[in-house]
Amino acid sequence: DAGVIQSPRHEVTEMGQEVTLRCKPISGHNSLFWYRQTMMRGLELLIYFNNNVPIDDSGMPEDRFSAKMPNASFSTLKIQPSEPRDSAVYFCASSPDAPGNTIYFGEGSWLTVV
Amino acid sequence: AQSVTQLDSQVPVFEEAPVELRCNYSSSVSVYLFWYVQYPNQGLQLLLKYLSGSTLVESINGFEAEFNKSQTSFHLRKPSVHISDTAEYFCAVSDPGAGSYQLTFGKGTKLSVIP
Repeated sequence: DAGVIQSPRHEVTEMGQEVTLRCKPISGHNSLFWYRQTMMRGLELLIYFNNNVPIDDSGMPEDRFSAKMPNASFSTLKIQPSEPRDSAVYFCASSPDAPGNTIYFGEGSWLTVV
Repeated sequence: AQSVTQLDSQVPVFEEAPVELRCNYSSSVSVYLFWYVQYPNQGLQLLLKYLSGSTLVESINGFEAEFNKSQTSFHLRKPSVHISDTAEYFCAVSDPGAGSYQLTFGKGTKLSVIP
């Protein structure tokens, strides 16, 4: 299996620009997660989808952040407008639909907002 | 809500020495427990997990962790570390009774193996 695929791997953008991060989960996985990792706050869960439906978005920082999952094989995380404090590594992860199942992470999208 | 405490943010250790990375969780109800490892510039990957049964679980690369319900702990140990074990290690917990598949992660422990 190809694993969780994220794009872009690296992005540098100017403050105020729109950023779209993309994720293709592992085929057959029903749950999809977006995490953000920073030195200050560690690993934070932003949003969790199950069967393409957002279940918990309490971790989304503010209205500038939005996430969609139009189908089982694709999800996006959008930041509009971006700010320097959004600089972080954003991870997408997926897992099969059962408690205790392993969550598989992508390699991350490294975002720098200048 | 579950919480996970990793008591040490950084652990330096000499090559071939033993190491223990500590993890405590908040809940006393049934939980699933995980250790993930993140090598530099990579995503997290599962190292080992406890779901039920034997309280001692092992990974393929020599790590082991023991579930201790009375102390709500799941410490990770290795009797002899290698340079290649240098990475950040995350403890995580999920609540099977909550009907959710989310993991709550600790803040991570950076293991540095010194030659």
